[in-house]
Amino acid sequence: QLVLTQPPSASASLGASVKLSCTLSSGHSSYAIAWHQQQPESGPRYLMKVNSDGTHIKGDGIPDRFSGSSFGAERYLTISSLQSGDEADYYCQTWGTGIVLFGGGTKLTVL
Amino acid sequence: EVLLLESGGGLVQPGGSLGLSCAASGFTFSFYAMTWVRQAPGKGLVWVSTISGGGGSTDYADSVKGRFTISRDNSKNTLYLQMSSLRVEDTAVYYCVKGTLAAAGPLDFWGQGTLVTVSS
Repeated sequence: QLVLTQPPSASASLGASVKLSCTLSSGHSSYAIAWHQQQPESGPRYLMKVNSDGTHIKGDGIPDRFSGSSFGAERYLTISSLQSGDEADYYCQTWGTGIVLFGGGTKLTVL
Repeated sequence: EVLLLESGGGLVQPGGSLGLSCAASGFTFSFYAMTWVRQAPGKGLVWVSTISGGGGSTDYADSVKGRFTISRDNSKNTLYLQMSSLRVEDTAVYYCVKGTLAAAGPLDFWGQGTLVTVSS
């Protein structure tokens, strides 16, 4: 069964970097995922697609501070030079035949 | 510029029906799959339904199968979600979301959402 697992929370200091993870369930390590950001009281925004080989394709206007990577069944979103505006919920999303799926989301706190 | 504008949300009693619309602009609507995603208050994002670019293929989450119907009118650049037999647990903000492919795939543009409240 296709499942995406995300840690519920993460924190990092202003100006530092943070690496958020999204884990694909067993047998699905070849799947690509997409990352979405949802700032407080706002709708979600697409950040990027991350492929199983680690390549990523960012959405329009997404800063270079945001990057994606992969290792096995893990997909990552790295945010460098953290800003207060990066404090948000981050969701990974994948898809298969007849299904679209979201992870539970990670709430990022910028200290 | 891609724009997705949802409408039709509101208050409805349990067991009632409601129809949502999403007017799309800024891209060739018929080329892309479209998806409805919902978010209950204080909760995460949950997939509801996807329709292919041509409209010939539809998929639904188990929680709404048989109660919700997704459709599209490519001549009007509009996506629809007809909801019936509504339950309290269907209360959520409903987002219209554009895909990057003609079938299911990454979602790359989100509407602002419309709130559906199911309550007596």
